[in-house]
Parts: sequence; structure tokens; C-alpha cells
Amino acid sequence: DADVTQTPRNRITKTGKRIMLECSQTKGHDRMYWYRQDPGLGLRLIYYSFDVKDINKGEISDGYSVSRQAQAKFSLSLESAIPNQTALYFCATSDSTGTGDPKETQYFGPGTRLLVL
Amino acid sequence: QKEVEQNSGPLSVPEGAIASLNCTYSDRVSQSFFWYRQYSGKSPELIMSIYSNGDKEDGRFTAQLNKASQYVSLLIRDSQPSDSATYLCAVEGDSNYQLIWGAGTKLIIKP
Repeated sequence: DADVTQTPRNRITKTGKRIMLECSQTKGHDRMYWYRQDPGLGLRLIYYSFDVKDINKGEISDGYSVSRQAQAKFSLSLESAIPNQTALYFCATSDSTGTGDPKETQYFGPGTRLLVL
Repeated sequence: QKEVEQNSGPLSVPEGAIASLNCTYSDRVSQSFFWYRQYSGKSPELIMSIYSNGDKEDGRFTAQLNKASQYVSLLIRDSQPSDSATYLCAVEGDSNYQLIWGAGTKLIIKP
């Protein structure tokens, strides 16, 4: 089973609708991230969370909100979807307490492809 | 604004040759550097991390770091068609363990 899962994998919605993208992980990592990826622009950070009670805005948080329901679950909501939120969304995790890889090492879920009409 | 720069490519390399991918970064205090591979429509996967000046080898991959010149490179020896992908460079951001991402270089290995 995948360590980081995302649901749904694909979603088509209409302008103005509220939608939620979900991320779950079994890696036991404390930190979780939401990114969006647009062609030619690389990964841009939307929100990140260091633990259940610590949530931070990234560089492009406007129009998005998040919820860290448990250490293993981190959800991203689009309150009122607009067409320029059409993108590929990735959840990622990292482990600040580990002794192996550098603490900044991030592991990604498979992504959610979102189309806003 | 901390930045990570990569040539977007595409970089075309014959099969069996060495592919050389480069990345420059703006923050002199960055300590950790990463190369991720991303196939089209898939998620990024970690290839290598490096944090000391010099070379680090892992199989056909070698990461090179030069902190004085603020660049990090990835060499792929004996390139295979399966190496065709976009390669993302990421650099440690601030003390909160964030990563700053380059936009990626698209690599095409021609049989």
C-alpha cells in the first residue's frame, strides 16, 4: 500500500463550488504539505502543517483552507472554486524527528488532478 | 525572495551518454539540496540528497555541490530512455524545513 494517499485522484467541478481534497499517510511523519503544480511553474506551496495544532500559510494560500484532523490526515478545501485553480495538487510529508534522511526530505502522494469549469 | 533556477529544457541526450542537469540557488545559507524525478502526470520522487561540498554517487547518479558558487548538479551516466522525465531541484528554505523548488528541467533520452 502507498505511504501517502490522496483522494480523489481526479475531480471536475464548477465555478463557485466548494470542494475538498484529502490526504492520508501511514509514514508516521509529523509534517504535511499541500502544493499545486502548474505547467512551467514548478511546485508552489499552499499550506503546511508541523503538527495537528500548527498550520501555516504558504506562498499561495488565498482561496484555500486546510484542516489537520489527525497526524495522519491533512485536507485541502477550495471554498469557492475558480477556473485558475485548475491544477495538479500534491500532498507531501516529512519527518522532523527522524535520524535517517535530511529532515527536509519530502515524500509525495500521487496527486489530484482538478479541473474547474 | 529565495530562488532556485533551472534551465527548463528540454535537454536531449543520446542513450548511453552522460546527462548533466544544473541548478543554481540564491540563499547562501542553504544546507540541504535535493534532486527529484517526475514522470509526466506523476508525483515527484526523491533521487538524491546532498549537503556537503563535492560529489555524492548512487548507482548511475552523481550529485555535485559547490556552495561557494551556489550550484548543484546531477549527472546521469549511461542514460536510458526510462530516465526521460522532468528533474526538479529543491533547496532547503528557512529553519522551518521548507523546500524551495526549481521549475524543473525536462530530460529526453533518445534511443
